Amino acid sequence: QLQLQESGPGLVKPSETLSLTCTVSGGSISSSSYYWGWIRQPPGKGLEWIGSIYYSGSTYYNPSLKSRVTISVDTSKNQFSLKLSSVTAADTAVYYCARLVVMAPAHAFDIWGQGTMVTVSS
Amino acid sequence: DIQMTQSPSSLSASVGDRVTITCQASQDISNYLNWYQQKPGKAPKLLIYDASNLETGVPSRFSGSGSGTDFTFTISSLQPEDIATYYCQQYDNLPSFTFGPGTKVDIK
Repeated sequence: QLQLQESGPGLVKPSETLSLTCTVSGGSISSSSYYWGWIRQPPGKGLEWIGSIYYSGSTYYNPSLKSRVTISVDTSKNQFSLKLSSVTAADTAVYYCARLVVMAPAHAFDIWGQGTMVTVSS
Repeated sequence: DIQMTQSPSSLSASVGDRVTITCQASQDISNYLNWYQQKPGKAPKLLIYDASNLETGVPSRFSGSGSGTDFTFTISSLQPEDIATYYCQQYDNLPSFTFGPGTKVDIK
């Protein structure tokens, strides 16, 4: 069955760039029925959508983060990645990657990675 | 921006009780609403999409209803394994998605 796994540094210094990768296994990232997304959750708080990407490279970002976010896809490696620049302590969170299934008009994050904790601290 | 609110923010109920959570959108979102369950230390799990459609494999004690701005999520008979935080999420304002603040459900 399809699985997603986040990877990347667990500690990032303030003002630097957070970089995470999501590896998709058990299925192709190039399927036309799906988009792929990043969602984060600060400790003890709720969920925030960061952005989504289609295998063609089309990207969609949360307006509140758009100036600092880049999401990219590598279909040859079945991976997609997140870069968040100029991080501060407010970016400390568990970062999840997820599959976004489109069953028009429905759009839902139906498969999630286990999440990876990223702490911003010097 | 579409804002989502949920009530209550937390609740305690006994095993077997009927539990109801409400989610309200700041504007009409038709039925473009999902519900997720998140157990402590785990990733969220999709339970209901399109406001009332049960995701495959999800027990039938979970249900959702509503349209427009007001939505309801119900657990017909609370089980110990239902202890979790439940989130609503709108997708009317594509390509953006907004989650509600969550409702924490405990056993009394």
